[in-house]
Amino acid sequence: AQSVAQPEDQVNVAEGNPLTVKCTYSVSGNPYLFWYVQYPNRGLQFLLKYITGDNLVKGSYGFEAEFNKSQTSFHLKKPSALVSDSALYFCAVRDGAGNNRKLIWGLGTSLGVNP
Amino acid sequence: NAGVTQTPKFQVLKTGQSMTLQCAQDMNHNSMYWYRQDPGMGLRLIYYSASEGTTDKGEVPNGYNVSRLNKREFSLRLESAAPSQTSVYFCASSDPRRNGYTFGSGTRLTVV
Repeated sequence: AQSVAQPEDQVNVAEGNPLTVKCTYSVSGNPYLFWYVQYPNRGLQFLLKYITGDNLVKGSYGFEAEFNKSQTSFHLKKPSALVSDSALYFCAVRDGAGNNRKLIWGLGTSLGVNP
Repeated sequence: NAGVTQTPKFQVLKTGQSMTLQCAQDMNHNSMYWYRQDPGMGLRLIYYSASEGTTDKGEVPNGYNVSRLNKREFSLRLESAAPSQTSVYFCASSDPRRNGYTFGSGTRLTVV
């Protein structure tokens, strides 16, 4: 069965420091992986995705994510955090081999960036 | 701007009342979805429609019904609202070529 885990409910970093939000997944075929961000009282916004190709994917707002097949992980990273990055981050996966296009969602990680 | 439009943005219902949440997308996407978001529980899929004319249950369909009126519109109906349905509801659509979802801005529903 497909699943996604975000092991940290909350991550706090100081502004200017690097940040990492963790995500691990389980699918039977090749994974299609996504990161979304949700600002307070807003809908989810697409950040980046991995379908195939380079393991390091660059996305919106300076975020990037590294696909690691052996560790079944897709951690979200940013070299220098901003206070405005404070938000709820969701990782999602689907099995690229199937016709089922439903995404399986993690429970979300709340990122706090302190000035 | 192209995207997913949800109405209303806020709603308060009394227990037992009914209402329909509306969703429309103008991106010519085939698939549409209804989620609810509750604290600590992430996004839970209520119903989805893989294409016009089809609908399927998600993880938490009880107490809800849906209609895929046409390719653009996908509505969610609560026939007899219960306090447990107090939540934020999101509609989304997806394009198979792009693989990701586009979300609406949400409906905050309170059932008292």
